[in-house]
Amino acid sequence: AQSVTQLDSQVPVFEEAPVELRCNYSSSVSVYLFWYVQYPNQGLQLLLKYLSGSTLVKGINGFEAEFNKSQTSFHLRKPSVHISDTAEYFCAVSVSGGYNKLIFGAGTRLAVHP
Amino acid sequence: SAVISQKPSRDICQRGTSLTIQCQVDSQVTMMFWYRQQPGQSLTLIATANQGSEATYESGFVIDKFPISRPNLTFSTLTVSNLSPEDSSIYLCSVRDSLYGITFGSGTRLTVV
Repeated sequence: AQSVTQLDSQVPVFEEAPVELRCNYSSSVSVYLFWYVQYPNQGLQLLLKYLSGSTLVKGINGFEAEFNKSQTSFHLRKPSVHISDTAEYFCAVSVSGGYNKLIFGAGTRLAVHP
Repeated sequence: SAVISQKPSRDICQRGTSLTIQCQVDSQVTMMFWYRQQPGQSLTLIATANQGSEATYESGFVIDKFPISRPNLTFSTLTVSNLSPEDSSIYLCSVRDSLYGITFGSGTRLTVV
């Protein structure tokens, strides 16, 4: 069965610093991988997704993620964060590939400080 | 991507009553999903709803508690029945979009008192 582990429940960082949010997955089959962001009192917004091809995926708001099959990881990075990036970030895997039901990690709370 | 309108955005309900949540999509979609996000927790899939067939429920969720309707390709409802404080959560509708993956509505924040 697929599972997703987000290694950090909270990540504090200063404004304009780089950040990496870590995500590992387990699956016996090919997967599609996603990062979503949830701002306070809002729904989920897709940041980026990996389906196939290039392992470096660029998303919205300056975020990118790298798919590493050998390490079963899909870490999210941003070279310089802003106060407005403060939110909850969820890594997710699509069961059996494709745009089907998602299994989510526990989430990482990114807190950007001035 | 598909635009999802979810109603109500929030509600406070008495225990023992029911709440029906509506999800309207601006395009026809085959697959719709209902998720629950308990306070401070991640999202858990409740069920998958395909038009013209019975919803498929995940382990731990039953139709009597979470009946779902899917009358057409742009609309679905989730009812949370016989409410208890443990049902206080955010409920999110999502749809499968062939180009953009899975898109989420803004959620319904339910508080049971």
